[in-house]
Amino acid sequence: EDQVTQSPEALRLQEGESSSLNCSYTVSGLRGLFWYRQDPGKGPEFLFTLYSAGEEKEKERLKATLTKKESFLHITAPKPEDSATYLCAVQGNNDMRFGAGTRLTVKP
Amino acid sequence: DAMVIQNPRYQVTQFGKPVTLSCSQTLNHNVMYWYQQKSSQAPKLLFHYYDKDFNNEADTPDNFQSRRPNTSFCFLDIRSPGLGDAAMYLCATSVGTSDYGYTFGSGTRLTVV
Repeated sequence: EDQVTQSPEALRLQEGESSSLNCSYTVSGLRGLFWYRQDPGKGPEFLFTLYSAGEEKEKERLKATLTKKESFLHITAPKPEDSATYLCAVQGNNDMRFGAGTRLTVKP
Repeated sequence: DAMVIQNPRYQVTQFGKPVTLSCSQTLNHNVMYWYQQKSSQAPKLLFHYYDKDFNNEADTPDNFQSRRPNTSFCFLDIRSPGLGDAAMYLCATSVGTSDYGYTFGSGTRLTVV
C-alpha cells in the first residue's frame, strides 16, 4: 500500500533561519510527488511536482528535491508569511495519497 | 479566474440530519474528487468521478454518497451525519488522473451538533 510520512509534525523557525521538511514515501510505480501549501481553514495550494529521482524545483524561498525514497522541501531565509502546513503527496498506480503535513511557524 | 468553488464554507448540521455539500469548477477538468480532512491529519480520499464514472474508495462509509450531474458540479451527500463526520471536506479537480497536481477548493467545514 502506498504510504507517505512527513517529519517533523511541527517546526518553529525564526525569520531568516533556513531548514528542511522531510517526506518519506513508499509507492508502487511513482508517477509524481507533489508538494502543497495549506493555510488554516483553506484548501491545499499546489507548489511543485517532481517526477524522478534527482529532480529539483524552486519557487521563491522554496526548493524541493527528490530521491527514490524521500523528498525534501528546503526553505531558505523564511519569512512569517511562509507559515502554513506543507503537505506532501504521491501519485502511484492508485490515487494520490497525502501525508499528514508539517506545520511550519516562522516567528519575526 | 478559473477555479474550484465550494459552498457553503461553513455548515452546521444536526446529528442524523442529511446534509449536502456542493462543489463547482470553471476549469473544465474531467476528474473531480472529494476528500475528508480532520484536524492535523492527511486528507483522505472518499471518492472521485472520472468523467461520469464513479469510483468509491473501499473504506468510504455507506453514509457518504456523491452525485455529478454535469462536468461543472459535484455534490457530497451525507445521509445521517454522526459526530465523527465533523471535518473539513475538500473538493479537488484534475485533468485525467493527473501527473500535474490537483486544484483544490477552499473547503467546507462541517460541524455536527
